[in-house]
Amino acid sequence: NAGVMQNPRHLVRRRGQEARLRCSPMKGHSHVYWYRQLPEEGLKFMVYLQKENIIDESGMPKERFSAEFPKEGPSILRIQQVVRGDSAAYFCASSATGTSGSWNEQYFGPGTRLTVT
Amino acid sequence: QQQVKQSPQSLIVQKGGISIINCAYENTAFDYFPWYQQFPGKGPALLIAIRPDVSEKKEGRFTISFNKSAKQFSLHIMDSQPGDSATYFCAASGTGGYQKVTFGIGTKLQVIP
Repeated sequence: NAGVMQNPRHLVRRRGQEARLRCSPMKGHSHVYWYRQLPEEGLKFMVYLQKENIIDESGMPKERFSAEFPKEGPSILRIQQVVRGDSAAYFCASSATGTSGSWNEQYFGPGTRLTVT
Repeated sequence: QQQVKQSPQSLIVQKGGISIINCAYENTAFDYFPWYQQFPGKGPALLIAIRPDVSEKKEGRFTISFNKSAKQFSLHIMDSQPGDSATYFCAASGTGGYQKVTFGIGTKLQVIP
């Protein structure tokens, strides 16, 4: 039973290029979360998606960042016109749909380490 | 605004010693408190978790203590081993509907032989 998969694991982009990060949730999971981890910092929530819907994007920068989780295929985090400050590890997590009152564990992928040169 | 405060940010403990990491939260709507362990180059993995109606939870060498009135909780690692060297994150979440997890800044633990 494969866990959360992310690719690529490492991505190098020059300033101004686009970065596309992919996340395949665990089988049976329909909830996807993206987090960013800057060096020496904790995990910062970016966006929460369900199939074909963005539920909460309150942690996403207003410009250049977008996310989607289509009906078929992986979730995509897209960063346009990358800048050096975008260099970070980006983690995707997925969870199942549970019942209210119970906690639905978020399972994390191995992350994509983005370096902007 | 940091809703979950974690300390210390780094910790060095000798093998066999007790590692203690402390966290405090502000939002009383949180009702689930997981701890994650992250090794270099890997994603975080759930280690242990507690609900606020329980004051302590133990799993092997790992124990969470919870003080609801003080809005504080802590992780104790007994008989710390070099293999425990990792970054530990405390976190807080609700359990209704949308479960957004808020993480602490992390504690980098190094257990020296």
